Amino acid sequence: AQTVTQSQPEMSVQEAETVTLSCTYDTSESDYYLFWYKQPPSRQMILVIRQEAYKQQNATENRFSVNFQKAAKSFSLKISDSQLGDAAMYFCAYTTGNQFYFGTGTSLTVIP
Amino acid sequence: ETGVTQTPRHLVMGMTNKKSLKCEQHLGHNAMYWYKQSAKKPLELMFVYNFKEQTENNSVPSRFSPECPNSSHLFLHLHTLQPEDSALYLCASSPAIRSGGNNEQFFGPGTRLTVL
Repeated sequence: AQTVTQSQPEMSVQEAETVTLSCTYDTSESDYYLFWYKQPPSRQMILVIRQEAYKQQNATENRFSVNFQKAAKSFSLKISDSQLGDAAMYFCAYTTGNQFYFGTGTSLTVIP
Repeated sequence: ETGVTQTPRHLVMGMTNKKSLKCEQHLGHNAMYWYKQSAKKPLELMFVYNFKEQTENNSVPSRFSPECPNSSHLFLHLHTLQPEDSALYLCASSPAIRSGGNNEQFFGPGTRLTVL
């Protein structure tokens, strides 16, 4: 079965500090994509960052970067210089095309 | 209006009612999706449409009936729901379904459904 596991239901970080959110997934596929989505309270889910499985280089989007370990099936998200606006639920997701699998989410609190 | 919109934003219905959720995307996409989001559970993909054709139905009970009249609109018709169906229902769209999964999805704000 293809699943996505986020082992940290809640995380907190001091403003301006760095935090890493964990995600592991299980698949037998070799060609797939991984995503991190952010869902602020009462607001729409938006894409934070995307990683193609065939690329060894870790994706980076400004203060957001991933540590993609394909053999370990691990896909963690690092947020640098955390800001108050980063407070949200973060979902890790995996897809090969038609099917999408999401984790249970990590609630991130940013402490001023 | 831009992006993905959903109406209504909140819905309370009895178990014998019939209601419909509406989703509209203004992004020129060809794939649309319905998800169910319940607290402390993974987002559950319910239905997938690609170019108006249903491509996935993930064992969703028949009391949920999707309809996709065109690539911009998606409906979820509800009837004889159960209290455990209370959840946030999210609609999403993407350019198209691509093998390998390069399908960035754009989500709507969701409809908060409560079944009494």
